[in-house]
Amino acid sequence: AQTVTQSQPEMSVQEAETVTLSCTYDTSESDYYLFWYKQPPSRQMILVIRQEAYKQQNATENRFSVNFQKAAKSFSLKISDSQLGDAAMYFCAYRSAWISNFGNEKLTFGTGTRLTIIP
Amino acid sequence: SQTIHQWPATLVQPVGSPLSLECTVEGTSNPNLYWYRQAAGRGLQLLFYSVGIGQISSEVPQNLSASRPQDRQFILSSKKLLLSDSGFYLCAWSPGRLNSPLHFGNGTRLTVT
Repeated sequence: AQTVTQSQPEMSVQEAETVTLSCTYDTSESDYYLFWYKQPPSRQMILVIRQEAYKQQNATENRFSVNFQKAAKSFSLKISDSQLGDAAMYFCAYRSAWISNFGNEKLTFGTGTRLTIIP
Repeated sequence: SQTIHQWPATLVQPVGSPLSLECTVEGTSNPNLYWYRQAAGRGLQLLFYSVGIGQISSEVPQNLSASRPQDRQFILSSKKLLLSDSGFYLCAWSPGRLNSPLHFGNGTRLTVT
């Protein structure tokens, strides 16, 4: 079974600075998808960015980018020019690319990193 | 566009009482549907998922059950709640394509007293 580990329970960053959140995962599969979700105080889960394992190019969405290291099974999220609205819990998630009889569409989540933005 | 509705938003129930949380999706057909639970300060735990009507996969053995009576309706139930059932419950859907993310509802905060 796949596991996702976020080793930083809490992180803080000065407003306008850059912060990197770590995520590692364990899998024996070669093809899969990785996601970062954001959960602000409202508790709604919001997709931040996604990465396909077969793509070598790191995904980027505006101020959010990832550093995907497939061999190291590492998938970190970099937030540039941090803003107060970035304060939230951030979850890393894994999804298999293989479909079993019942489907492997489920996501496996890490335990999250709480990001605080310091004004 | 697709939307997901989850209700109620908050619920306080005594131990031993039944539970019914409902989730519906609009704007799509044959979605994959999921129930996750988030305990305080912890990550998301997958409880059930469904790839079609009547097809329910249970990830965690417990006193909860799920049903999918209609294509876009997913219900989480319990006959008798336990204190340990308290938490934040999230319903989610995806179109079934593997590279698609899950789209979450706003969640239900359940407190069992």
